Amino acid sequence: QSVLTQPPSVSGASGQRVTISCTGSSSNIGAGFDVHWYQHLPGTAPKLLIYGNSNRPSGVPDRFSGSKSGTSASLAITGLQAEDEADYYCQSYDISLSAWVFGGGTKLTVL
Amino acid sequence: QVQLQQSGPGLVKPSQTLSLTCAISGDSVSSDSAAWNWIRQSPSRGLEWLGRTYFRSRWYNDYAIYVKSRITISPDTSKNQFSLHLNSVTPEDSAVYYCARGYASGHFDYWGQGTLVTVSS
Repeated sequence: QSVLTQPPSVSGASGQRVTISCTGSSSNIGAGFDVHWYQHLPGTAPKLLIYGNSNRPSGVPDRFSGSKSGTSASLAITGLQAEDEADYYCQSYDISLSAWVFGGGTKLTVL
Repeated sequence: QVQLQQSGPGLVKPSQTLSLTCAISGDSVSSDSAAWNWIRQSPSRGLEWLGRTYFRSRWYNDYAIYVKSRITISPDTSKNQFSLHLNSVTPEDSAVYYCARGYASGHFDYWGQGTLVTVSS
Protein backbone atom coordinates (compact mmCIF):
# COMPACT_ATOMS: atom_id res chain seq x y z
CA GLN A 1 0.00 0.00 0.00
CA SER A 2 1.49 3.29 -1.15
CA VAL A 3 1.98 6.24 1.19
CA LEU A 4 0.41 8.55 -1.39
CA THR A 5 -3.02 7.51 -2.68
CA GLN A 6 -4.01 7.82 -6.32
CA PRO A 7 -7.04 6.47 -8.18
CA PRO A 8 -6.05 3.30 -10.06
CA SER A 9 -7.49 4.56 -13.33
CA VAL A 10 -9.05 7.54 -15.06
CA SER A 11 -10.33 7.98 -18.57
CA GLY A 12 -11.42 10.75 -20.86
CA ALA A 13 -12.33 11.36 -24.46
CA SER A 14 -9.86 12.86 -26.86
CA GLY A 15 -9.80 16.64 -26.41
CA GLN A 16 -11.33 16.56 -22.95
CA ARG A 17 -9.85 17.40 -19.53
CA VAL A 18 -9.00 14.93 -16.78
CA THR A 19 -7.58 15.32 -13.31
CA ILE A 20 -5.60 12.84 -11.23
CA SER A 21 -5.59 13.24 -7.47
CA CYS A 22 -2.81 12.41 -5.03
CA THR A 23 -3.75 12.23 -1.37
CA GLY A 24 -1.14 12.23 1.37
CA SER A 25 -0.99 13.09 5.05
CA SER A 26 0.49 15.47 7.59
CA SER A 27 3.83 13.66 7.35
CA ASN A 28 4.31 14.34 3.64
CA ILE A 29 2.24 16.67 1.47
CA GLY A 30 0.54 18.25 4.48
CA ALA A 31 3.92 18.94 6.06
CA GLY A 32 4.71 21.29 3.21
CA PHE A 33 6.85 19.05 1.03
CA ASP A 34 6.66 19.60 -2.70
CA VAL A 35 4.75 17.23 -4.98
CA HIS A 36 6.14 16.06 -8.32
CA TRP A 37 4.49 14.16 -11.15
CA TYR A 38 5.83 11.62 -13.63
CA GLN A 39 4.53 10.06 -16.83
CA HIS A 40 5.50 6.44 -17.33
CA LEU A 41 5.14 4.47 -20.51
CA PRO A 42 5.76 0.69 -20.32
CA GLY A 43 9.35 -0.24 -21.08
CA THR A 44 10.66 3.29 -20.66
CA ALA A 45 11.99 5.35 -17.79
CA PRO A 46 9.57 7.64 -15.95
CA LYS A 47 9.52 11.17 -17.33
CA LEU A 48 9.32 14.22 -15.06
CA LEU A 49 6.12 16.09 -15.88
CA ILE A 50 5.65 18.57 -13.02
CA TYR A 51 8.07 19.55 -10.26
CA GLY A 52 7.65 21.74 -7.22
CA ASN A 53 3.85 21.30 -7.28
CA SER A 54 3.19 23.32 -10.42
CA ASN A 55 6.33 23.83 -12.51
CA ARG A 56 6.81 22.28 -15.93
CA PRO A 57 10.26 21.24 -17.15
CA SER A 58 11.29 22.54 -20.54
CA GLY A 59 9.56 20.61 -23.29
CA VAL A 60 6.47 19.58 -21.33
CA PRO A 61 3.33 20.98 -22.99
CA ASP A 62 1.25 23.50 -21.06
CA ARG A 63 -1.67 21.06 -21.35
CA PHE A 64 -0.20 19.56 -18.18
CA SER A 65 -0.58 21.48 -14.91
CA GLY A 66 -0.23 20.73 -11.22
CA SER A 67 -1.62 22.10 -8.00
CA LYS A 68 -1.40 21.40 -4.30
CA SER A 69 -3.68 22.15 -1.37
CA GLY A 70 -3.49 20.87 2.18
CA THR A 71 -2.66 17.18 2.17
CA SER A 72 -3.49 16.65 -1.51
CA ALA A 73 -2.27 17.50 -4.98
CA SER A 74 -3.71 17.21 -8.47
CA LEU A 75 -2.46 16.80 -11.99
CA ALA A 76 -4.68 18.20 -14.74
CA ILE A 77 -4.40 17.31 -18.39
CA THR A 78 -6.37 19.33 -20.93
CA GLY A 79 -6.91 18.65 -24.61
CA LEU A 80 -6.37 14.91 -24.14
CA GLN A 81 -4.42 13.20 -26.88
CA ALA A 82 -3.91 9.51 -27.63
CA GLU A 83 -0.21 9.90 -26.78
CA ASP A 84 -1.16 10.85 -23.22
CA GLU A 85 -2.16 7.24 -22.49
CA ALA A 86 0.29 6.22 -19.79
CA ASP A 87 0.69 5.65 -16.08
CA TYR A 88 1.03 8.77 -13.92
CA TYR A 89 2.73 8.89 -10.52
CA CYS A 90 2.93 11.54 -7.84
CA GLN A 91 5.92 11.80 -5.52
CA SER A 92 6.79 13.70 -2.36
CA TYR A 93 8.91 13.39 0.78
CA ASP A 94 7.71 11.70 3.96
CA ILE A 95 9.24 12.95 7.17
CA SER A 96 8.14 9.91 9.20
CA LEU A 97 9.85 7.51 6.81
CA SER A 98 12.73 9.90 5.99
CA ALA A 99 12.26 8.85 2.39
CA TRP A 100 10.92 10.01 -0.94
CA VAL A 101 7.60 8.29 -1.55
CA PHE A 102 5.44 7.66 -4.57
CA GLY A 103 1.77 7.18 -5.26
CA GLY A 104 0.52 3.83 -6.52
CA GLY A 105 0.06 5.21 -10.01
CA THR A 106 -2.95 6.05 -12.17
CA LYS A 107 -3.54 4.54 -15.57
CA LEU A 108 -4.94 7.09 -18.02
CA THR A 109 -7.03 5.78 -20.88
CA VAL A 110 -7.92 8.08 -23.76
CA LEU A 111 -11.22 6.99 -25.23
CA GLN B 1 21.99 16.83 -21.89
CA VAL B 2 22.34 14.49 -18.92
CA GLN B 3 22.31 10.79 -19.65
CA LEU B 4 22.40 7.89 -17.22
CA GLN B 5 23.44 4.47 -18.51
CA GLN B 6 22.82 1.47 -16.29
CA SER B 7 24.68 -1.82 -16.35
CA GLY B 8 24.63 -5.01 -14.33
CA PRO B 9 23.24 -8.55 -14.27
CA GLY B 10 19.58 -9.30 -14.68
CA LEU B 11 19.61 -12.48 -12.63
CA VAL B 12 20.80 -12.82 -9.05
CA LYS B 13 20.57 -15.87 -6.79
CA PRO B 14 18.81 -15.66 -3.43
CA SER B 15 21.07 -14.61 -0.54
CA GLN B 16 23.61 -13.10 -2.94
CA THR B 17 24.37 -9.46 -3.68
CA LEU B 18 22.65 -7.41 -6.36
CA SER B 19 25.09 -4.95 -7.96
CA LEU B 20 24.26 -2.29 -10.53
CA THR B 21 26.20 0.65 -11.92
CA CYS B 22 24.97 3.95 -13.35
CA ALA B 23 27.36 5.85 -15.63
CA ILE B 24 26.78 9.61 -15.82
CA SER B 25 27.32 11.83 -18.84
CA GLY B 26 26.52 15.53 -19.00
CA ASP B 27 26.97 16.05 -15.24
CA SER B 28 29.35 15.05 -12.48
CA VAL B 29 28.80 12.56 -9.66
CA SER B 30 30.65 15.17 -7.54
CA SER B 31 28.13 17.90 -8.39
CA ASP B 32 27.38 20.09 -5.38
CA SER B 33 23.74 20.53 -6.37
CA ALA B 34 22.61 17.06 -7.49
CA ALA B 35 22.04 13.77 -5.69
CA TRP B 36 22.35 10.35 -7.27
CA ASN B 37 19.56 7.93 -6.48
CA TRP B 38 18.42 4.36 -6.90
CA ILE B 39 14.70 3.63 -7.25
CA ARG B 40 12.97 0.34 -8.02
CA GLN B 41 9.56 -0.68 -9.29
CA SER B 42 7.72 -3.93 -8.81
CA PRO B 43 4.07 -4.93 -9.24
CA SER B 44 3.72 -5.62 -5.51
CA ARG B 45 5.55 -2.58 -4.10
CA GLY B 46 5.15 0.04 -6.85
CA LEU B 47 7.83 2.71 -7.15
CA GLU B 48 10.15 2.61 -4.16
CA TRP B 49 13.05 4.97 -3.42
CA LEU B 50 16.07 3.04 -2.09
CA GLY B 51 18.74 5.60 -1.38
CA ARG B 52 21.15 8.22 -2.66
CA THR B 53 24.69 9.50 -2.58
CA TYR B 54 25.72 13.14 -2.91
CA PHE B 55 28.69 15.48 -2.41
CA ARG B 56 28.53 18.62 -0.31
CA SER B 57 32.16 19.27 0.65
CA ARG B 58 32.19 15.60 1.64
CA TRP B 59 30.23 12.51 0.62
CA TYR B 60 26.87 11.70 2.17
CA ASN B 61 24.48 8.76 1.87
CA ASP B 62 20.82 8.41 2.74
CA TYR B 63 19.06 5.05 2.70
CA ALA B 64 15.44 3.99 2.99
CA ILE B 65 14.77 2.31 6.34
CA TYR B 66 13.32 -0.78 4.69
CA VAL B 67 16.67 -1.63 3.03
CA LYS B 68 19.09 0.25 5.28
CA SER B 69 20.73 -2.85 6.73
CA ARG B 70 21.42 -4.33 3.28
CA ILE B 71 22.26 -1.44 0.96
CA THR B 72 25.35 0.47 -0.07
CA ILE B 73 25.43 3.23 -2.70
CA SER B 74 28.90 4.43 -3.62
CA PRO B 75 30.33 6.98 -6.03
CA ASP B 76 33.26 6.38 -8.36
CA THR B 77 34.68 9.76 -9.27
CA SER B 78 37.35 8.32 -11.60
CA LYS B 79 34.63 6.86 -13.84
CA ASN B 80 31.92 9.43 -13.08
CA GLN B 81 29.45 6.78 -11.99
CA PHE B 82 27.76 5.40 -8.92
CA SER B 83 26.79 1.92 -7.86
CA LEU B 84 24.14 0.06 -5.93
CA HIS B 85 24.91 -3.00 -3.84
CA LEU B 86 22.00 -4.77 -2.16
CA ASN B 87 22.97 -7.87 -0.22
CA SER B 88 21.07 -10.88 1.06
CA VAL B 89 18.48 -10.58 -1.69
CA THR B 90 15.25 -12.55 -1.78
CA PRO B 91 12.66 -12.96 -4.54
CA GLU B 92 10.92 -9.89 -3.07
CA ASP B 93 13.83 -7.81 -4.36
CA SER B 94 12.94 -8.71 -7.94
CA ALA B 95 12.09 -5.45 -9.68
CA VAL B 96 13.05 -2.98 -12.36
CA TYR B 97 15.84 -0.87 -10.89
CA TYR B 98 16.40 2.73 -12.00
CA CYS B 99 19.11 5.22 -11.27
CA ALA B 100 18.03 8.86 -11.25
CA ARG B 101 19.38 12.34 -10.67
CA GLY B 102 17.69 14.21 -7.85
CA TYR B 103 17.52 17.93 -7.16
CA ALA B 104 16.90 20.20 -4.18
CA SER B 105 13.11 20.14 -4.26
CA GLY B 106 13.29 16.37 -4.32
CA HIS B 107 12.29 15.67 -7.90
CA PHE B 108 14.07 13.23 -10.17
CA ASP B 109 14.73 14.87 -13.50
CA TYR B 110 16.86 12.32 -15.35
CA TRP B 111 16.49 8.55 -15.17
CA GLY B 112 18.45 5.58 -16.40
CA GLN B 113 16.87 3.13 -18.80
CA GLY B 114 15.98 0.64 -16.08
CA THR B 115 17.32 -2.85 -15.39
CA LEU B 116 15.01 -5.79 -14.74
CA VAL B 117 16.55 -7.83 -11.95
CA THR B 118 15.13 -11.22 -11.10
CA VAL B 119 16.11 -12.97 -7.90
CA SER B 120 15.88 -16.69 -8.52
CA SER B 121 17.92 -19.83 -8.13
